[in-house]
Amino acid sequence: DTGVSQDPRHKITKRGQNVTFRCDPISEHNRLYWYRQTLGQGPEFLTYFQNEAQLEKSRLLSDRFSAERPKGSFSTLEIQRTEQGDSAMYLCASSRDRGPSYEQYFGPGTRLTVT
Amino acid sequence: AQSVTQLGSHVSVSEGALVLLRCNYSSSVPPYLFWYVQYPNQGLQLLLKYTTGATLVKGINGFEAEFKKSETSFHLTKPSAHMSDAAEYFCAVSRSSNTGKLIFGQGTTLQVKP
Repeated sequence: DTGVSQDPRHKITKRGQNVTFRCDPISEHNRLYWYRQTLGQGPEFLTYFQNEAQLEKSRLLSDRFSAERPKGSFSTLEIQRTEQGDSAMYLCASSRDRGPSYEQYFGPGTRLTVT
Repeated sequence: AQSVTQLGSHVSVSEGALVLLRCNYSSSVPPYLFWYVQYPNQGLQLLLKYTTGATLVKGINGFEAEFKKSETSFHLTKPSAHMSDAAEYFCAVSRSSNTGKLIFGQGTTLQVKP
């Protein structure tokens, strides 16, 4: 069990550019979640997958955001035409979908800065 | 709808003193409740969780929390603070059935003074 990994850890981009983040979940976990955390706030749910199916999306997830999880393994989160308001920490988490606890394990996050 | 309120964005204690971080939740269905800790520039680490059964739950690093349904609370405590406990703490709630998203509170920064 190597934990949840995210790449890159830091990304600086100019407004209007597209960015893509990757998340690799714990191998036996079939649920994968994306959250966004701004400074001084708790994480806010964006979307989650069960295997390759995207089961829920937050209203926070504008049409500039898209997430995929091909083959139910790693996931990517793409932000098109970035805005300064997109600057945040993007957290990925994974969990099982059965068993007594469903607890989510978080990766280290990708910090996005839009200049 | 579910929500979480953490009372006190900053809590300061002396090393060796009791730690008490407050969390109140709102949920129309039986909740699952969690406490996570976040160190600077890191992801979140699960401290403890309440799902069903015993309302006093023990977690890692000497922390524990008690689920009080009548008070809709899930406060986090530790008898004796250590310098290494200084971090950001988040309370979270999810629905007890087929849990998906976590709803987080705004967080409490714990400062431990020597």
